[in-house]
Amino acid sequence: NAGVMQNPRHLVRRRGQEARLRCSPMKGHSHVYWYRQLPEEGLKFMVYLQKENIIDESGMPKERFSAEFPKEGPSILRIQQVVRGDSAAYFCASSPSSGVNSPLHFGNGTRLTVT
Amino acid sequence: RKEVEQDPGPFNVPEGATVAFNCTYSNSASQSFFWYRQDCRKEPKLLMSVYSSGNEDGRFTAQLNRASQYISLLIRDSKLSDSATYLCVLGTSYGKLTFGQGTILTVHP
Repeated sequence: NAGVMQNPRHLVRRRGQEARLRCSPMKGHSHVYWYRQLPEEGLKFMVYLQKENIIDESGMPKERFSAEFPKEGPSILRIQQVVRGDSAAYFCASSPSSGVNSPLHFGNGTRLTVT
Repeated sequence: RKEVEQDPGPFNVPEGATVAFNCTYSNSASQSFFWYRQDCRKEPKLLMSVYSSGNEDGRFTAQLNRASQYISLLIRDSKLSDSATYLCVLGTSYGKLTFGQGTILTVHP
């Protein structure tokens, strides 16, 4: 049973370009969470999605960032017109259900570098 | 005030030492509590859940004090492989996690 798969592992973009980060949850998991870790900081919640629905996007920057989890295919975190401050590690996690004790399984992250 | 406060360390201890980490949180509505570990900016991995009654997993003991909004992790007989960043984590009713900044532990020979 493959774990949470994120790609690419490393992504380099110039300022102003678009970044697309993909996350395939574990088999049977329909709940996806995105977190961002800036250099020397802790992980910060960005968004929680279920299939075709955004449940909580309270951690998403108001502009340039969007996320989706379509019926078919991986979850996508999209960053438009990237800036240097977007450079970070972006982690995706999935769980089989919502609920206080449902464990989250993390992917190994995408490291975005904006030059 | 941060939702989760941890002493960032670093803690440098010799093999075999006992080391304790503390964490305080501000949201009294938090429903679940965890310790995760993160190695060299890799993905965080669940170390253990934390319960009010306290729980132990081998060399690791976790305690939760809801009245004081305080969580602790005790590591006995430290190993070199315990070197990592330890993250204090709170959970909500639907699984959203709030992470502390982490405490860096280095175990040396």
